[in-house]
Amino acid sequence: SQQGEEDPQALSIQEGENATMNCSYKTSINNLQWYRQNSGRGLVHLILIRSNEREKHSGRLRVTLDTSKKSSSLLITASRAADTASYFCATGETSGSRLTFGEGTQLTVNP
Amino acid sequence: NAGVTQTPKFQVLKTGQSMTLQCAQDMNHEYMSWYRQDPGMGLRLIHYSVGAGITDQGEVPNGYNVSRSTTEDFPLRLLSAAPSQTSVYFCASSRQGARGTEAFFGQGTRLTVV
Repeated sequence: SQQGEEDPQALSIQEGENATMNCSYKTSINNLQWYRQNSGRGLVHLILIRSNEREKHSGRLRVTLDTSKKSSSLLITASRAADTASYFCATGETSGSRLTFGEGTQLTVNP
Repeated sequence: NAGVTQTPKFQVLKTGQSMTLQCAQDMNHEYMSWYRQDPGMGLRLIHYSVGAGITDQGEVPNGYNVSRSTTEDFPLRLLSAAPSQTSVYFCASSRQGARGTEAFFGQGTRLTVV
């Protein structure tokens, strides 16, 4: 069964707007990662946040982690048409290597 | 560096046929894994390996075999293909890290079993 559940399943916004995607998980984790997948391509790593961290930034990306609520959010600011893709959260076990993926959020940014 | 290379990119099999999906990485990563991606279900872990000679089952291992004779290669074998194995298969590699490390993915193999 999937560890993570993502919300919403699909999100459509206009260029320049912010996009927020949420991920909830069920068990204790070592780290949580976000990946992007363009249509027909492999997954590309975006950002990793460890269980003892609460917030992390990378360029236009902001990730938060609330271990008490077992949830994370990914915020993409000032979105661009090129951000159109599927976004997946993945949780890492205590061992740090095995990842369990959520079902993803399909983001469409309209120009 | 090529990163993670998967071959073939596309494959059509008949039910009952066997085949091997190839995966190679040139980053000297200890950890390698195979996932399948089906519509609306995200990625599900099939098998993984923490180093040469060591493999273990993931969430959906039935119908698949793996081996890891070298650090670089991690082939996935379909023993007797079934229509339920129609999917997109991704191989990934990462460094071992106690606090987690990013995974690098191949471009995928789109498999259709008829």
